[in-house]
Amino acid sequence: GAGVSQSPSNKVTEKGKDVELRCDPISGHTALYWYRQSLGQGLEFLIYFQGNSAPDKSGLPSDRFSAERTGGSVSTLTIQRTQQEDSAVYLCASSPAWAGGIWSTDTQYFGPGTRLTVL
Amino acid sequence: RKEVEQDPGPFNVPEGATVAFNCTYSNSASQSFFWYRQDCRKEPKLLMSVYSSGNEDGRFTAQLNRASQYISLLIRDSKLSDSATYLCVVAHTGGGNKLTFGTGTQLKVEL
Repeated sequence: GAGVSQSPSNKVTEKGKDVELRCDPISGHTALYWYRQSLGQGLEFLIYFQGNSAPDKSGLPSDRFSAERTGGSVSTLTIQRTQQEDSAVYLCASSPAWAGGIWSTDTQYFGPGTRLTVL
Repeated sequence: RKEVEQDPGPFNVPEGATVAFNCTYSNSASQSFFWYRQDCRKEPKLLMSVYSSGNEDGRFTAQLNRASQYISLLIRDSKLSDSATYLCVVAHTGGGNKLTFGTGTQLKVEL
């Protein structure tokens, strides 16, 4: 079946512009995550959606970052007034379920990422 | 101090060698542990989960030492195709459902 897809694959923008990054999770996956990976750095958690619960936004680096998940499926990560330090690969992952108290990241699947370059 | 620490390498090894990667984590509340593999300019992919009892998958063996907060990955009879970056990953349910990644250890297997 289809995996996690992300678009665009590459985005070049000018400092100060807004960008939107899209993630299509695997069909039926209720949990969706956004991470970013800067050059030479590890993956950094940004935000997590699980079903209809309020998202865990604890990893968002500033109020310029926001994310939505519509209809429990597609998610959009928005970065307003982009800065050069926002340049990174933004990765989305999905997993089938988080059954309260039972951790199941064995099945967390990553998309190919969006490479964002802010000039 | 980073929550998950790894030696960045690179480890350059000949084909057929045995190589061991180590990782330490600082959050004693961590409950789940994984090794992910990431090829150059590709997304991370789960290699294996790590259990206290140790687990093996073919040429790969993972071990967890909770007392020392230490995780290891052993690759036997390394292949050229094993060349990648290996990411140590930790999660704790008290922090929600997010993964904390180490910066990765780069492995290069050579002829």
